Amino acid sequence: EPEVTQTPSHQVTQMGQEVILRCVPISNHLYFYWYRQILGQKVEFLVSFYNNEISEKSEIFDDQFSVERPDGSNFTLKIRSTKLEDSAMYFCASRERSSYNSPLHFGNGTRLTVT
Amino acid sequence: QKEVEQNSGPLSVPEGAIASLNCTYSDRGSQSFFWYRQYSGKSPELIMSIYSNGDKEDGRFTAQLNKASQYVSLLIRDSQPSDSATYLCAVNYKLSFGAGTTVTVRA
Repeated sequence: EPEVTQTPSHQVTQMGQEVILRCVPISNHLYFYWYRQILGQKVEFLVSFYNNEISEKSEIFDDQFSVERPDGSNFTLKIRSTKLEDSAMYFCASRERSSYNSPLHFGNGTRLTVT
Repeated sequence: QKEVEQNSGPLSVPEGAIASLNCTYSDRGSQSFFWYRQYSGKSPELIMSIYSNGDKEDGRFTAQLNKASQYVSLLIRDSQPSDSATYLCAVNYKLSFGAGTTVTVRA
């Protein structure tokens, strides 16, 4: 069964450094998402992306964050200058259609640790 | 008011019993409702989706939706130790998640 893949599984970085989290969505999916989950807290929506542009973003997704689809397969989340509070699990997800009943498929996540 | 609220648990049930999980949501216009299972350190895994009022059954899982009461529930019948996880209620296609209910099934 096709799946969303994320790399790396664990990223450790120093405060102030830039990180790029990578995702390969399912090949025929057109809608892409990033979520994060701080340890012990709920899963939070960050951003949705369609047709090479952001379609929606949350308050969390400030100027330090950006997303990109650099080629036909990868979808990346960049954090320009990481803060301690950016430490979390980051999940990429994709869906085939925009309709409300099109299920969202999650990747296995990248655990980001900012020291 | 939180968008999606769940009983935080933990909920402990004996093996073979029914686990009952509840979720309420604030947006009356919500159209889609999902239950995800999340094992510790893993990603959410979709187990049920429901879009219209009433019950929907899939194997040992039954989701119930009442839009008038803005309430959605999940029943897990014949609970197994492998069902021990955190269950996340999510609402709408963008997925607003609740904080999750941790379920422990005692062998």
